[in-house]
Amino acid sequence: EVQLVQSGAEVKKPGESLKISCKGSRYSFSNYWIGWVRQMPGKGLELMGIIYPDDSDTRYSPSFQGQVTASVDKSISTAYLRWSSLKASDTAMYYCAYYDILTGSCDYWGQGTLVTVSS
Amino acid sequence: QSALTQPPSASGSPGQSVTISCSGTSSDVGGYNYVSWYQQHPGKAPKVMIYEVNKRPSGVPARFSGSKSGNTASLTVSGLQAEDEADYYCSSYSRSNNFGVFGGGTKLTVL
Repeated sequence: EVQLVQSGAEVKKPGESLKISCKGSRYSFSNYWIGWVRQMPGKGLELMGIIYPDDSDTRYSPSFQGQVTASVDKSISTAYLRWSSLKASDTAMYYCAYYDILTGSCDYWGQGTLVTVSS
Repeated sequence: QSALTQPPSASGSPGQSVTISCSGTSSDVGGYNYVSWYQQHPGKAPKVMIYEVNKRPSGVPARFSGSKSGNTASLTVSGLQAEDEADYYCSSYSRSNNFGVFGGGTKLTVL
């Protein structure tokens, strides 16, 4: 079965940069979209953006365009999400997911990476 | 505000059935048979329970079923069990942004 393993929890200060990762295994990583989902404390799920590992085609939800950067290194089956300057409002759990581009469904999920931004 | 509208809470007693709704528009729920439902227990990652309106992934109990009428999709949990207590989210493909969109989530309580 598809497995997605994310990097560990991070504690950062406002203004710092951060890159979190998501490593896929047990499937053909290059040929399936990866989605990034934000869940702020006590809140619901928000699809931030998606990336196609084979050619790095990337699409962002309007709410997240310019706020984060998704990337991928298909040679090591790993997707990344990067912030150049964190804000306190970026504090959230971030999930990567195996994303079906046709149906908009997140079929498999990573375990999540908790990002805490505090001075 | 979420793109899809769900009731914030639902409840039922063990053994009963409960239905959670997910309202959208003709640009998402009503326009495509691409509605998914996710279960999320506290501190855990979401898990897909229903995809393409009414299909269950392998391993999901048959007590979980999905349906759609017009712009509203529904998740029904029959024979409620204590372990069904969780947050449930719907999602749909949306033509408006060529993206998947989520509902705001429903907290299901087993009384």
